[in-house]
Amino acid sequence: AQSVSQHNHHVILSEAASLELGCNYSYGGTVNLFWYVQYPGQHLQLLLKYFSGDPLVKGIKGFEAEFIKSKFSFNLRKPSVQWSDTAEYFCAVNARGGADGLTFGKGTHLIIQP
Amino acid sequence: EPEVTQTPSHQVTQMGQEVILRCVPISNHLYFYWYRQILGQKVEFLVSFYNNEISEKSEIFDDQFSVERPDGSNFTLKIRSTKLEDSAMYFCASSGTGGTYNEQFFGPGTRLTVL
Repeated sequence: AQSVSQHNHHVILSEAASLELGCNYSYGGTVNLFWYVQYPGQHLQLLLKYFSGDPLVKGIKGFEAEFIKSKFSFNLRKPSVQWSDTAEYFCAVNARGGADGLTFGKGTHLIIQP
Repeated sequence: EPEVTQTPSHQVTQMGQEVILRCVPISNHLYFYWYRQILGQKVEFLVSFYNNEISEKSEIFDDQFSVERPDGSNFTLKIRSTKLEDSAMYFCASSGTGGTYNEQFFGPGTRLTVL
């Protein structure tokens, strides 16, 4: 069975600080990897995705993530966070090649202090 | 930009009652999903639906749950006899095609409260 681990449940940063949120997954086959964001009072939105190719993927709002196959990791990064990045961040995975349901991590609640 | 919509936004029901949660997926999408998030816990996959039948379901999706696409636009989740532990946020999602490009678009959710 698939599983996703997000190491940081609550992160508090000041504006302009750099961000890295950890995500590790467990799955026996090839996977698609996703980061979703949920801003306060809003629905889940896709930040970025990795299907194949360049393991460094860039998403919206200056976010990027790097797939490291040997470490089963897909960490999310942003060089300089803004107050508006305050949100819940979810890492998710599903099996490559199908339309399977997503397996989510528990999420990281990110608070950016002005 | 097309969006997934869900109604109602909040549903309160008594234990043992039946509830139907409604979703309108993005119009040209082919795959439909339901997820739930119990307060303080992670988002959990319930079921996926394609070509008018269930394609995958989780252990959570037992006999009290059912899904239906009654017409060309709606996708519903029915809980036959609600329990207290069914209280959660329920999200609908849809995606365009299978293969490796199944980016799922989520609706805003329905908060179900079972009393």
